[in-house]
Amino acid sequence: NAGVTQTPKFQVLKTGQSMTLQCAQDMNHEYMSWYRQDPGMGLRLIHYSVGAGITDQGEVPNGYNVSRSTTEDFPLRLLSAAPSQTSVYFCASSVFGLAQETQYFGPGTRLLVL
Amino acid sequence: DAKTTQPTSMDCAEGRAANLPCNHSTISGNEYVYWYRQIHSQGPQYIIHGLKNNETNEMASLIITEDRKSSTLILPHATLRDTAVYYCIVGAGRRALTFGSGTRLQVQP
Repeated sequence: NAGVTQTPKFQVLKTGQSMTLQCAQDMNHEYMSWYRQDPGMGLRLIHYSVGAGITDQGEVPNGYNVSRSTTEDFPLRLLSAAPSQTSVYFCASSVFGLAQETQYFGPGTRLLVL
Repeated sequence: DAKTTQPTSMDCAEGRAANLPCNHSTISGNEYVYWYRQIHSQGPQYIIHGLKNNETNEMASLIITEDRKSSTLILPHATLRDTAVYYCIVGAGRRALTFGSGTRLQVQP
């Protein structure tokens, strides 16, 4: 299994540009989520999904859209990039069910917005 | 979810046991204690979790006090590769993990 994969690894955007961060998992996990991590900080939840066709907002959803058309993929869209969105973005997945929340994280996408 | 309190940083000599404390005095009866770590800028990695009993796996041991208000993660023989930020998280029934600032463990040669 490849686990959780993210592309691209690094991206530079200009203010106002849009882009999609890709996330895929091959573990048949129902639950997927996106976090952002600013320098020296912990991770903050952006959006999450408990299954195909179901998404919900996390702690910091503004400026981001998500969709979940398949179990495997959970892309994160930046609608109009701002310098405040410069961060490292992590995607995670887990089995949806009991309270044992063992999550698997991807390697991250480093985003710089100029 | 209950909040956790961890020391900002700790040092440990290579080959010695690393004991990382965590306070979670407001933990609810159905909340688990989870430990994750983040090495440099990689994605967080699951280490161990527990509810009431002490737990051990190939990576670490988790000791939870009887009143469940605190816990300790033990890395029995720390190596340089264990240098990382360690996050103690408590939660139940939800998929989102609330990460605090964690403890930065530096293993010294």
